[in-house]
Amino acid sequence: SAVISQKPSRDICQRGTSLTIQCQVDSQVTMMFWYRQQPGQSLTLIATANQGSEATYESGFVIDKFPISRPNLTFSTLTVSNMSPEDSSIYLCSVEVWDSHYNEQFFGPGTRLTVL
Amino acid sequence: SQQGEEDPQALSIQEGENATMNCSYKTSINNLQWYRQNSGRGLVHLILIRSNEREKHSGRLRVTLDTSKKSSSLLITASRAADTASYFCATDAGGTSYGKLTFGQGTILTVHP
Repeated sequence: SAVISQKPSRDICQRGTSLTIQCQVDSQVTMMFWYRQQPGQSLTLIATANQGSEATYESGFVIDKFPISRPNLTFSTLTVSNMSPEDSSIYLCSVEVWDSHYNEQFFGPGTRLTVL
Repeated sequence: SQQGEEDPQALSIQEGENATMNCSYKTSINNLQWYRQNSGRGLVHLILIRSNEREKHSGRLRVTLDTSKKSSSLLITASRAADTASYFCATDAGGTSYGKLTFGQGTILTVHP
């Protein structure tokens, strides 16, 4: 498994501002992902955070709105830019961990964002 | 990507009873993973089942996979109040979508003491 931490755990922000969320893993991992969970909904993949190159975004998500950094194999950041109330969600990072047989994916505790 | 579907959307049982949750998906998969989420917190990984497996057990959890029907089920035996949570299935289609999980809508399980 992997131990994943996220900062901040929650925040309340004003519309038009930006928030950067940090994700730290206790071991080097190849694959890191960012997900969004809107209130009462399931999780949706935002992007794959690639180390050493630009993130790969899913349909409906763009770099200008959700810039992502991945400076090394244990750390990534997601910025939610120019926020509106519709961005109020839980944002979760995840990492894929391989053992000899399985590629399980583990999630951080999430960052609960409220935009006023 | 297409979301899977889970049923029931909500399940309410008494402690000691078994809880069964079902998940259906639309594309072929590499593996399927089940997660638990307590009160909007982070997801706890429960179990992974690969496409060439039909059944897996972990403690009080039993997961089945029927790739011909594109469906999976999660059985929690002898449930406890602490099992109260939302449960999600997530599929990994592999290939060019490797590692990208598609989540079902989730089942809210309430276990009454």
